[in-house]
Amino acid sequence: QKEVEQDPGPLSVPEGAIVSLNCTYSNSAFQYFMWYRQYSRKGPELLMYTYSSGNKEDGRFTAQVDKSSKYISLFIRDSQPSDSATYLCAMIASNTGKLIFGQGTTLQVKP
Amino acid sequence: SQTIHQWPATLVQPVGSPLSLECTVEGTSNPNLYWYRQAAGRGLQLLFYSVGIGQISSEVPQNLSASRPQDRQFILSSKKLLLSDSGFYLCAWSRTGKSSYNEQFFGPGTRLTVL
Repeated sequence: QKEVEQDPGPLSVPEGAIVSLNCTYSNSAFQYFMWYRQYSRKGPELLMYTYSSGNKEDGRFTAQVDKSSKYISLFIRDSQPSDSATYLCAMIASNTGKLIFGQGTTLQVKP
Repeated sequence: SQTIHQWPATLVQPVGSPLSLECTVEGTSNPNLYWYRQAAGRGLQLLFYSVGIGQISSEVPQNLSASRPQDRQFILSSKKLLLSDSGFYLCAWSRTGKSSYNEQFFGPGTRLTVL
């Protein structure tokens, strides 16, 4: 079993839809959680970073962490075609310090 | 502000040829540096990381090596490329200190095709 599970998709939604991207993890030592956005043939770009359970909002993006369920989510409101990209969850274990990535979910927002 | 550069952006090399990919970071001192490989449809695999000049840790046994000759320069090398070395190579940096708690910032990547 992988330490971090992420559905690769692809996920296709119409413009303006609310998008929900999710990751589950098995290691309770994961304490720091990130979401990266990666456009085709580009390096990943850090979108959100959080270390506590609950919600963190930044514009149209909301990161949600539920440590009791070992589940994290990224919500995108009013999705735009420019949001079409691969979204990677990542997390750091406090005991190893290593950054572990999910496989990434490919999102397509259709105009 | 900090920026990270990688070159070349694209590279096509024959099997058995040598490889040298370079990464430099600007706007920060003593960063932690990382090399990742991303295969098509797969996540990022950490290859090497460095916490200082000349200090290299290898995550997986492989045909590649890394060096850090200067504080903000990280080089990925191979003496003889294999077909399986093809992929998208990403360099990343994070702030020094408690690397356990620091997010990583990625460069634009190098797409390597070995024929």
